[in-house]
Amino acid sequence: EAQVTQNPRYLITVTGKKLTVTCSQNMNHEYMSWYRQDPGLGLRQIYYSMNVEVTDKGDVPEGYKVSRKEKRNFPLILESPSPNQTSLYFCASSPSTGSHTEAFFGQGTRLTVV
Amino acid sequence: AQSVTQLDSQVPVFEEAPVELRCNYSSSVSVYLFWYVQYPNQGLQLLLKYLSGSTLVKGINGFEAEFNKSQTSFHLRKPSVHISDTAEYFCAVRLINDYKLSFGAGTTVTVRA
Repeated sequence: EAQVTQNPRYLITVTGKKLTVTCSQNMNHEYMSWYRQDPGLGLRQIYYSMNVEVTDKGDVPEGYKVSRKEKRNFPLILESPSPNQTSLYFCASSPSTGSHTEAFFGQGTRLTVV
Repeated sequence: AQSVTQLDSQVPVFEEAPVELRCNYSSSVSVYLFWYVQYPNQGLQLLLKYLSGSTLVKGINGFEAEFNKSQTSFHLRKPSVHISDTAEYFCAVRLINDYKLSFGAGTTVTVRA
């Protein structure tokens, strides 16, 4: 089954404790991205990657890092989480060629930083 | 840069009544348009998309949307809703030469019996 898998689904952590949210897709998509969803703001892009070893900032990159060492994986790293990073996070992937232009989303990771 | 405005943040509706969710966008170049649905505690699922051609687009679960280029709108409609349509709905746009999705703030639809 074609899917984007995020882990964990839920995470509660303390301020300053480094964490990683994993994202993996099995569709051989080139383009992957991370979004955060906040009430009244919709989804905002954090980082994106056009292909392996190619990453760039989205609209709200402060406090986040990403890496793309393999095509299928795109982890989101919070080196020193703060309470304002409490949010619902989504990973998405899409092909860069062909007629399929929509993004496929993971199930989300609800992060709480206390 | 493109932007998306969803004109209603909350839409309460009775079961079997029609619903319309309004979406306007701004962009200086051509775009692709999407509607996604998010059911409680789930990820985003594509309802429908407009790429080109006919301006009336049909999607899953009986939803349809109409692209109006002159009004830069992409309103979503369903003639008769069910309790199971209770969800948050997001309108999104993408430049045709890019991959980034820009989302509206979302519309929460609550269907009551």
